[in-house]
Amino acid sequence: EPEVTQTPSHQVTQMGQEVILRCVPISNHLYFYWYRQILGQKVEFLVSFYNNEISEKSEIFDDQFSVERPDGSNFTLKIRSTKLEDSAMYFCASSGTVSGNTIYFGEGSWLTVV
Amino acid sequence: KQEVTQIPAALSVPEGENLVLNCSFTDSAIYNLQWFRQDPGKGLTSLLLIQSSQREQTSGRLNASLDKSSGRSTLYIAASQPGDSATYLCAVCGHTDKLIFGTGTRLQVFP
Repeated sequence: EPEVTQTPSHQVTQMGQEVILRCVPISNHLYFYWYRQILGQKVEFLVSFYNNEISEKSEIFDDQFSVERPDGSNFTLKIRSTKLEDSAMYFCASSGTVSGNTIYFGEGSWLTVV
Repeated sequence: KQEVTQIPAALSVPEGENLVLNCSFTDSAIYNLQWFRQDPGKGLTSLLLIQSSQREQTSGRLNASLDKSSGRSTLYIAASQPGDSATYLCAVCGHTDKLIFGTGTRLQVFP
């Protein structure tokens, strides 16, 4: 069964460093997402991406964050100048269409900022 | 602003019981509702997707119902097994393409 794959599974970084989280969405999907889950809290939407541009972003997704689809398969989340409160599990997701199809999630990248 | 609530927050039952997990949402203008399973430290596994025009969906021992007008969904798990132990999340998709998640129900099924 096709799946969304994410790397790395776990990353520890020092405060102030830049982090890139990588995702390979399901190959025929068109819509891509990043969500995050701080330990013990709800899963929160960060950003959605379609047709090589951001279609929606949350209040959390400020100038510190950026997304990119550098080639036909990868979808990345860059976090600049990481802060302690950025420590969370970051999930990539993809779907074939918007609002109608199942959204499939990856296993997550656990980011620890120290 | 859409709010999604799940009750109970935690549930511990003996194997074999039939279970009902509840999800409520404040804005009935949704396109669909999705139930997920999350194992500790793991990703989200989609269980069932119910479109706003549907009343229920079934997959194996799982049945999810949707009452959009009252802002409620239930996930029914028949004949629970220890392998069903996980956190169950519901999420609604509204007029934008983002999911709004509930806080989840942490289920433990003991032998």
